[in-house]
Amino acid sequence: RKEVEQDPGPFNVPEGATVAFNCTYSNSASQSFFWYRQDCRKEPKLLMSVYSSGNEDGRFTAQLNRASQYISLLIRDSKLSDSATYLCVVTREAAGNKLTFGGGTRVLVKP
Amino acid sequence: DTGVSQNPRHKITKRGQNVTFRCDPISEHNRLYWYRQTLGQGPEFLTYFQNEAQLEKSRLLSDRFSAERPKGSFSTLEIQRTEQGDSAMYLCASSPLLAGNSYEQYFGPGTRLTVT
Repeated sequence: RKEVEQDPGPFNVPEGATVAFNCTYSNSASQSFFWYRQDCRKEPKLLMSVYSSGNEDGRFTAQLNRASQYISLLIRDSKLSDSATYLCVVTREAAGNKLTFGGGTRVLVKP
Repeated sequence: DTGVSQNPRHKITKRGQNVTFRCDPISEHNRLYWYRQTLGQGPEFLTYFQNEAQLEKSRLLSDRFSAERPKGSFSTLEIQRTEQGDSAMYLCASSPLLAGNSYEQYFGPGTRLTVT
């Protein structure tokens, strides 16, 4: 079993719609959580950190549920430019803060 | 450009050849990480340095792989006797040492290796 699991998708989303997806992590000692965005054949880029209280950045909202060990990302008012792979990431300070990635969830926003 | 840079961006090599990649991190970032990403998968951790010290190596890093960061600045990743299974994107990331819980890692553009 992978340490971080994601639905690979693709999620086909009409432009302007809302899409949400989760990832689950197995290591309860995980301390920090992130969503990264990766465009085709490009490097991952940090989208947002995820906090226990939940956090919002414009059209993006991330939630963390430590009890159930899952993280969610919601995208409102989807834009064509939101089409990408979204990577769920966890880290632990004791592990040198190396990033442990899920396999990614592919989102395709269509007109 | 003050971001993480990697060279070369693309490398095609024949099976059995040796290859070396270079990563130049953001200046003054103490930590430097190497990851490998194959098609359709998320990146997987290979190794990381804190300054010039290599602190951890993944089980993915076979004896054919070696990484160095001799002066705590740039790093090299060498693969000896390449195999077709080594074909992947090799990503380098750097981060500062911070007192808080969140450590943002900044990625370079990657080196795409194709072994024929």
